[in-house]
Amino acid sequence: GQSLEQPSEVTAVEGAIVQINCTYQTSGFYGLSWYQQHDGGAPTFLSYNALDGLEETGRFSSFLSRSDSYGYLLLQELQMKDSASYFCAVRDRYQKVTFGTGTKLQVIP
Amino acid sequence: EAGVAQSPRYKIIEKRQSVAFWCNPISGHATLYWYQQILGQGPKLLIQFQNNGVVDDSQLPKDRFSAERLKGVDSTLKIQPAKLEDSAVYLCASSLDGGQKQFFGPGTRLTVL
Repeated sequence: GQSLEQPSEVTAVEGAIVQINCTYQTSGFYGLSWYQQHDGGAPTFLSYNALDGLEETGRFSSFLSRSDSYGYLLLQELQMKDSASYFCAVRDRYQKVTFGTGTKLQVIP
Repeated sequence: EAGVAQSPRYKIIEKRQSVAFWCNPISGHATLYWYQQILGQGPKLLIQFQNNGVVDDSQLPKDRFSAERLKGVDSTLKIQPAKLEDSAVYLCASSLDGGQKQFFGPGTRLTVL
């Protein structure tokens, strides 16, 4: 089976940097994705890591360490609109995707 | 390009009634997913199709839930009969690359009374 752990809530100040961690246990790991979901909205794709290292997309970066079964999402220059839930999701070699329980990010002025 | 379409957006039914949801994925996306998301939780995979074949339905309560994807394009998810605990948002997603990047529809919010 697959399991993922994320912090349930994170609070950060506008303009700051925040890191949201994700640890996972899975057999046949293939890759780690990150999604953003605003209240009442659908999840939207942010990034995907299959190999170790950092992937950067604008203000968002995602990191993966396969040996540690660990990844994180880094949000820089936080804006109020970044207040949302963030989910990590693992994909296995059979293309099955399992989502974490999500981290609710609150950005405060 | 058009996104993933779902209907209806909202549905209220009484327990023991039946309900069906429809999803039209992005054109050309072979993989289609149905998720159940209960408030405050992450999406839970119910069923995954690759074209019109089922890849994974291990978490689908088969005594009451059924899904089909005729002709490998649009899909329907049915609940019969509904229970109170089925109240949730039902999300449909599609993917071109086998799950690396999924595109989600707006979801159907189901309330079972």
